[in-house]
Amino acid sequence: EVQLVESGGGLVQPGRSLRLSCAASAFTFDDYAMHWVRQAPGKGLEWVSGLSWNSGSIGYADSVKGRFTISRDNAKNSLYLQMNSLRAEDTALYSCAKGRGSGTYGGHAFDIWGQGTMVTVSS
Amino acid sequence: EMMLTQSPGTMSLSPGERATLSCRASQSVSSTYLAWYQQKPGQAPRLLIYGASSRATGIPDRFSGSGSGTDFTLTISRLEPEDFAVYYCQQYGSSPLTFGPGTKVDIK
Repeated sequence: EVQLVESGGGLVQPGRSLRLSCAASAFTFDDYAMHWVRQAPGKGLEWVSGLSWNSGSIGYADSVKGRFTISRDNAKNSLYLQMNSLRAEDTALYSCAKGRGSGTYGGHAFDIWGQGTMVTVSS
Repeated sequence: EMMLTQSPGTMSLSPGERATLSCRASQSVSSTYLAWYQQKPGQAPRLLIYGASSRATGIPDRFSGSGSGTDFTLTISRLEPEDFAVYYCQQYGSSPLTFGPGTKVDIK
């Protein structure tokens, strides 16, 4: 079964850092663009970041640019999100999602989603 | 940044009725890079429609998408009990990728 499983969430103080991971299984990970999407409690979906199959094309939402870094390790079938200088407004469920195709991170809808890992930023 | 507006915010319908959801973009969506997702409480979003009108794998044909440019529509021809959920549109043609605020379809 095609699956994405996130980990690394938790409670963190404002200004601190956290690294999220997403483990992929049952598909050829390095054929596809990958993304992080977040959803604050009771709110809608917000795209956070995405990257192409070879990390040659990377994009960020303005709200996280300069603070968050997306990366992937195709040998480990894993996607990562390094989150620095965390703020209260970063509190959300963070999910990874698979793009339908390769190429740049844009141009493809998201056909597989993980269940997410919760990040709470609070003192 | 391309803004997406969805209307209505909430619609109350009965099983068997037709649902028509709207998504309007602040600028033209390139190459019809417009998708629709369904999300139920406690679940991950599910891709319904991509490329404005192509159904994703396993999506029933009561779901259909249409539109181009700045105006897009998701139609559910006859609501089944499992269709009551929140629906989001998304544009993935220009960065940053953006989602609409969602339309909640609830039971009347």
